[in-house]
Amino acid sequence: DIVMTQSPDSLAVSLGERATINCKSSQSVLYSSNNRNYLAWYQQKAGQPPKLLIYWASTRESGVPDRFSGSGSGTDFTLTISSLQAEDVAVYYCQQYYSTQYTFGQGTKLEI
Amino acid sequence: VQLVESGGRLVQPGGSLRLSCVASGFPVSGHSMNWVRQAPGKGLEWISYIRGSADMTYYADSVQGRFTISRDSANNSLYLQMNSVRDEDTAIYYCSREGDSGSFADSWGQGTLVTVSS
Repeated sequence: DIVMTQSPDSLAVSLGERATINCKSSQSVLYSSNNRNYLAWYQQKAGQPPKLLIYWASTRESGVPDRFSGSGSGTDFTLTISSLQAEDVAVYYCQQYYSTQYTFGQGTKLEI
Repeated sequence: VQLVESGGRLVQPGGSLRLSCVASGFPVSGHSMNWVRQAPGKGLEWISYIRGSADMTYYADSVQGRFTISRDSANNSLYLQMNSVRDEDTAIYYCSREGDSGSFADSWGQGTLVTVSS
């Protein structure tokens, strides 16, 4: 199975500042035939189901604020929140869908 | 698009139960679907996939041979039959829909809690 490792496990950022979460896969999730990275980011607020933020590593889901952005390729990926808002407090997960055995990172808890 | 899970309850180790996920706003036959679980205070764990055509299913090693995913177009529902449950199966179980353009989960239900305990 592809192992997804996020860093850090937790992060405290001041309001208005940038937050950066990293995700590393144990093998490449870049599919060479279409040059797409099979990597998604989800946000999970307390007591709620996950919510899709980013797919194909850098495509923002409809309705997601543009302060959220995804980058990276191959095995190393980053989720960036450019200016942290109070409502961004949540746990963030990366997920690979390259393999038929989908796997998630362990999660990064983001606090103010 | 809405997904509503049900069927979670307290069950003894070794027992069985079936989870349901009723979909609205789209046909389950038109999308691949997944079950993802979350143990108390823990992260997300993908456990099962079914193609929209229902001709392909996948399972995580942790549930292979014990759980069965299925869907019913007539009821527009997704199911998870859970047999030989173990303590470590205690979790919130979410159903999710895969997107039109890729295997990322673009919609999630609110989840149903399964507690395995004697």
